[in-house]
Amino acid sequence: DVKVTQSSRYLVKRTGEKVFLECVQDMDHENMFWYRQDPGLGLRLIYFSYDVKMKEKGDIPEGYSVSREKKERFSLILESASTNQTSMYLCASSFISRGRRPQYSNQPQHFGDGTRLSIL
Amino acid sequence: DQQVKQNSPSLSVQEGRISILNCDYTNSMFDYFLWYKKYPAEGPTFLISISSIKDKNEDGRFTVFLNKSAKHLSLHIVPSQPGDSAVYFCAATHSGTYKYIFGTGTRLKVLA
Repeated sequence: DVKVTQSSRYLVKRTGEKVFLECVQDMDHENMFWYRQDPGLGLRLIYFSYDVKMKEKGDIPEGYSVSREKKERFSLILESASTNQTSMYLCASSFISRGRRPQYSNQPQHFGDGTRLSIL
Repeated sequence: DQQVKQNSPSLSVQEGRISILNCDYTNSMFDYFLWYKKYPAEGPTFLISISSIKDKNEDGRFTVFLNKSAKHLSLHIVPSQPGDSAVYFCAATHSGTYKYIFGTGTRLKVLA
C-alpha cells in the first residue's frame, strides 16, 4: 500500500512565523502535490512537483513556496504565516505518465492524513 | 470559475438503499474522472475512476456512470452501509496536465 506521511496532524503557529509542512511518500512516485481544503471550497491546488527540484504553481500559490530536494519528500513553506492560511493542508503523490498519456493510464492520487494548521 | 461542481452539499440515505452522488463538469477536455471518500481527520481515499472512453465502471458496491453529452457523472452505492458515511469528492483531469480539479464534496450520511 502507498503510504503518504505528513509530519504533523495539528499545528498552531503565530502570524508572521515561517512554517514548514513536511510530506514523505514511500512508493517512488514522481508527482507530489500540496492542497488546502476549506469548507465549501473543496481541495485547491497550491503547488505540485513532477521531479526533484521541479515545481509548478497551482491555483493558489500566493504566500507559499515548496521544496523538493529528494524524490520522496515534498515540503510546503509558509513564508510569513497569516490568519487566512488557517486551513487543512493535504499532501498527495501519484505516478507520472510520460509522453502522450493514454486515457486509461491516468493514475489516482494518494493522500496523507492532512495537517490542520491554525495561525493565531 | 468552478469547473467541477457537486451541487448537493449533503445527502441522507437509509441503510440498504441506494446512494446516488452527482457531479457536473464544464470543461469538455476532461477525460478522466475519479471519486474519493474522506472520513473526518483522514485524507481522501481513492474509490473508483472512469475514463471518458467508457460510460460505466463498477467495483463491488460502487458504480460510476459518465454521461459525456450532459457533462455529468454519478456515483451509485448499493446497498448503502453506515460505514459509507463520509464526504465524497469527485475530481477530473485531462491528458497533458497533472492537475486534478476537485468538486466541493457531498457529505453522505447512511442511517442505520
